Amino acid sequence: AQKVTQAQTEISVVEKEDVTLDCVYETRDTTYYLFWYKQPPSGELVFLIRRNSFDEQNEISGRYSWNFQKSTSSFNFTITASQVVDSAVYFCALSEATGGSYIPTFGRGTSLIVHP
Amino acid sequence: ETGVTQSPTHLIKTRGQQVTLRCSSQSGHNTVSWYQQALGQGPQFIFQYYREEENGRGNFPPRFSGLQFPNYSSELNVNALELDDSALYLCASSLRTSGNTDTQYFGPGTRLTVL
Repeated sequence: AQKVTQAQTEISVVEKEDVTLDCVYETRDTTYYLFWYKQPPSGELVFLIRRNSFDEQNEISGRYSWNFQKSTSSFNFTITASQVVDSAVYFCALSEATGGSYIPTFGRGTSLIVHP
Repeated sequence: ETGVTQSPTHLIKTRGQQVTLRCSSQSGHNTVSWYQQALGQGPQFIFQYYREEENGRGNFPPRFSGLQFPNYSSELNVNALELDDSALYLCASSLRTSGNTDTQYFGPGTRLTVL
């Protein structure tokens, strides 16, 4: 069975600090997808990134970067020079092919608070 | 914005009542998934509909049921409401092609309160 663990419940930083959100996953499948979503106070889950299990290249998108390491089953997310608008709950998710439906399992989320 | 809409935004019901939540998927998407998100938790998968048929179900009792219409919009019905059903209900749409499913895009959710 698939499982996602986000050990950090809440992180508090001051604006312009770098912050890393941890995600560890468990799966028996060799083919799977990993996701990060952001949930601001409005409640809507905003898609940030998707990575498949065969692509371990790290990715940078503006102030966001992701570090995927299959050897440690981790898919960590770093925000560089954090801003107040980054304050939200961030979810890591894993989906395996279940009859082709790729239904994601979400972690419990990490609440990021960025203080001015 | 994702183009996924949900109605209503908020809803208050009492125990034992029935509720219907609605979702319009993003244009071009053929798959709709429903999630329940309790306070302080991650979304929990309820079920998924693909081409009007249920295509996967999470650990939820039969009183949670759904429909998908020919235009790919969807409804979530919950009968005999319980206090623990109070949560944010999220709908997500995606495009499924042979052998693969694209990323899910979420709507803003419906906040259900059961008194």
